Amino acid sequence: EAQVTQNPRYLITVTGKKLTVTCSQNMNHEYMSWYRQDPGLGLRQIYYSMNVEVTDKGDVPEGYKVSRKEKRNFPLILESPSPNQTSLYFCASRLAGVGETQYFGPGTRLLVL
Amino acid sequence: GENVEQHPSTLSVQEGDSAVIKCTYSDSASNYFPWYKQELGKRPQLIIDIRSNVGEKKDQRIAVTLNKTAKHFSLHITETQPEDSAVYFCAGIFSSNTGKLIFGQGTTLQVKP
Repeated sequence: EAQVTQNPRYLITVTGKKLTVTCSQNMNHEYMSWYRQDPGLGLRQIYYSMNVEVTDKGDVPEGYKVSRKEKRNFPLILESPSPNQTSLYFCASRLAGVGETQYFGPGTRLLVL
Repeated sequence: GENVEQHPSTLSVQEGDSAVIKCTYSDSASNYFPWYKQELGKRPQLIIDIRSNVGEKKDQRIAVTLNKTAKHFSLHITETQPEDSAVYFCAGIFSSNTGKLIFGQGTTLQVKP
């Protein structure tokens, strides 16, 4: 089944404890993104990647890191999480090209205490 | 810069009525405008999209219209049903170089039985 997967789905952590949220897609998509969703603010892009080893900042990159060593995986790393990073995170992927459908992962709900 | 404004933020209609959600954008170099539906606790999913060389597109009870001169596009849902209740996001791609998808803030639609 073609899909985008994320893990974990739910995570409670404490300030400063490094964490990684994994994202994987099996559709051979070139383009992958991370978004955070907060009430009233919609979906804001954190980082995106246009292909392997090509990543760039989105609108809200502060406090996050990403890597794209393989085409299928695009992990999101929070080196030192803070409470303002408490949010719902979505990974997404699509083929390169303007009119291609973007598919979202199931989401990761993160609470930073 | 690129920006998408979405209105209204909440919309309540009676079952069977029509619902209209409008988005405006600031960058005229527009290419592609998808609409996503996000049901409670689920991921956003594409419901309809329109390219910049088309003025209107219809799929059963939903339609999208695009006015490039006025820089706005709208989602129309006719004969609304309770299962249409969800958060709807408009989006746009304004740069074919980055392919970045910019989302509106979202509209919470409630369809009352």
